[in-house]
Amino acid sequence: SQQGEEDPQALSIQEGENATMNCSYKTSINNLQWYRQNSGRGLVHLILIRSNEREKHSGRLRVTLDTSKKSSSLLITASRAADTASYFCATAFYGGSQGNLIFGKGTKLSVKP
Amino acid sequence: NAGVTQTPKFQVLKTGQSMTLQCAQDMNHNSMYWYRQDPGMGLRLIYYSASEGTTDKGEVPNGYNVSRLNKREFSLRLESAAPSQTSVYFCASSEALGDRGRNTIYFGEGSWLTVV
Repeated sequence: SQQGEEDPQALSIQEGENATMNCSYKTSINNLQWYRQNSGRGLVHLILIRSNEREKHSGRLRVTLDTSKKSSSLLITASRAADTASYFCATAFYGGSQGNLIFGKGTKLSVKP
Repeated sequence: NAGVTQTPKFQVLKTGQSMTLQCAQDMNHNSMYWYRQDPGMGLRLIYYSASEGTTDKGEVPNGYNVSRLNKREFSLRLESAAPSQTSVYFCASSEALGDRGRNTIYFGEGSWLTVV
């Protein structure tokens, strides 16, 4: 499978703490994206990082990409109860026959107030 | 601006029945997708349409058919529903396929399908 694999599968933290989620993938990619899914809802795009970028920020989100290790991390700083959701990485890889994004299985984040 | 709209939201089918999930997007996107999401399996691509007039199989196409009716609409049909097709189905769209940064995907809110 070309899927990204998120780690950990589940994460529980207190409000105000930082949350870090990791994603590993198998083949060379062009870009990697992170999505968020609230319970019972569709996925929402958070951030895209290209293969020639190493770090990207968006508000309280920080994404890093290490293409040599084929891994990415998503850091949510100063977490809030409203950040409780599942987070998915998705990879667009070179030579993919489908030309689309391949999603991992997600990290379920629980932020306790 | 509704984004991606899919219907119905919930459906219960008996084994062997057929049904069509409807999807429409108002973002003038070229590419559209149908995914299914099962516990512990993440999202799996059923079919996609790179552009109006084309459709292609994804990872799990068996038991499904699709129609790209026009640029806005992409429907998913279950011809003879099976319990294994119990899942949450998501329609989605993107400006384009590929790796040029225009492949950010916008999702509908999901359709919960139960086959008994």
